[in-house]
Amino acid sequence: GIQVEQSPPDLILQEGANSTLRCNFSDSVNNLQWFHQNPWGQLINLFYIPSGTKQNGRLSATTVATERYSLLYISSSQTTDSGVYFCAVSGKAAGNKLTFGGGTRVLVKP
Amino acid sequence: EPEVTQTPSHQVTQMGQEVILRCVPISNHLYFYWYRQILGQKVEFLVSFYNNEISEKSEIFDDQFSVERPDGSNFTLKIRSTKLEDSAMYFCASSDSRGLIAEAFFGQGTRLTVV
Repeated sequence: GIQVEQSPPDLILQEGANSTLRCNFSDSVNNLQWFHQNPWGQLINLFYIPSGTKQNGRLSATTVATERYSLLYISSSQTTDSGVYFCAVSGKAAGNKLTFGGGTRVLVKP
Repeated sequence: EPEVTQTPSHQVTQMGQEVILRCVPISNHLYFYWYRQILGQKVEFLVSFYNNEISEKSEIFDDQFSVERPDGSNFTLKIRSTKLEDSAMYFCASSDSRGLIAEAFFGQGTRLTVV
């Protein structure tokens, strides 16, 4: 099946810093989503972005499908941005199920 | 804004007991899913459900598990004879998947603890 690798696994930021999280995937995809898992365990949808670029406030994401990677940008980080960020994809040959990466654990310090 | 809702938020059960986790997907969605996340690990696909039948299942989803859509709104996951290793967060999700949009929306999860 499709493989999803996220980097870095852990990230410590000072409040106000910018950061980039990366997601590499091994095959063509028809869906790519970024999630934020908050301290209560909830998965919050950030972006549905199988290709192109989107922005939502301080967050933006870019997927280059032909090169099989996606990037999530966090600008002017806040302590509430702490948590685990997951990338998940569904392969074109694999129906609608999502395969998740291992996540990037982000800690923003005040 | 429509959302996927799950109940209960937390369930503690004795080993060997049966549990039923409940989900109400977004009303106009056609595809329903269960995922699980063992503490500290990645989220894993369990099963997808479409048109009143299982469309795909993972190797985790063995005879211990079953899913059902008992009425027009609920979607349930039953775990028979629970084991300690079934302790995890279980997420329900739904998607429309008609046309080109296949974004999945997740519920807040049910934390299952088997003791």
